[in-house]
Amino acid sequence: QKEVEQDPGPLSVPEGAIVSLNCTYSNSAFQYFMWYRQYSRKGPELLMYTYSSGNKEDGRFTAQVDKSSKYISLFIRDSQPSDSATYLCAMSASSYKLIFGSGTRLLVRP
Amino acid sequence: DVKVTQSSRYLVKRTGEKVFLECVQDMDHENMFWYRQDPGLGLRLIYFSYDVKMKEKGDIPEGYSVSREKKERFSLILESASTNQTSMYLCASIKGRGRETQYFGPGTRLLVL
Repeated sequence: QKEVEQDPGPLSVPEGAIVSLNCTYSNSAFQYFMWYRQYSRKGPELLMYTYSSGNKEDGRFTAQVDKSSKYISLFIRDSQPSDSATYLCAMSASSYKLIFGSGTRLLVRP
Repeated sequence: DVKVTQSSRYLVKRTGEKVFLECVQDMDHENMFWYRQDPGLGLRLIYFSYDVKMKEKGDIPEGYSVSREKKERFSLILESASTNQTSMYLCASIKGRGRETQYFGPGTRLLVL
């Protein structure tokens, strides 16, 4: 079993929809949680960073961490075609060595 | 803004060739990483370096070596390229071991024939 599980998708939604992306994990020592966005043929770029449990909001993006369930989510409100990308969750016990999910491909249709 | 650059975007090499992938960061970061990214497998850590001339194996170091002679530069070496090393290679860096996170380069797509 992988340490971090992420549904590969693809997830296809109409423009304006609320998108929910999720990861589950097995290592209870993880305390740093990140979401990266990766456009085709580019390197990942950091989208959201959360330490320990709770919610974090940045514009249209909200990251949630539920350590009791070992479950993290990324919500995208009012999704745009420019949000079409692969979204990678990543987590760490020590913050410098990350374990990544395999990524979820998102397509937002105009 | 942090900038991480990689020497090539695309490379085509033949089986058995020695391959060098270079990564440079301009923000004085101590820690640098090499990953490979394959469909369905996500990013897997090959090697990382926490200081000049220091290195540690990641999860999949077999068939690879690294070199860090200067703080800003971290090289990944495929001693004898094989077809199963065809992949996207990503370099990343981070300043310390606190609450920062990793910044990635644009990636090198390597095809070994």
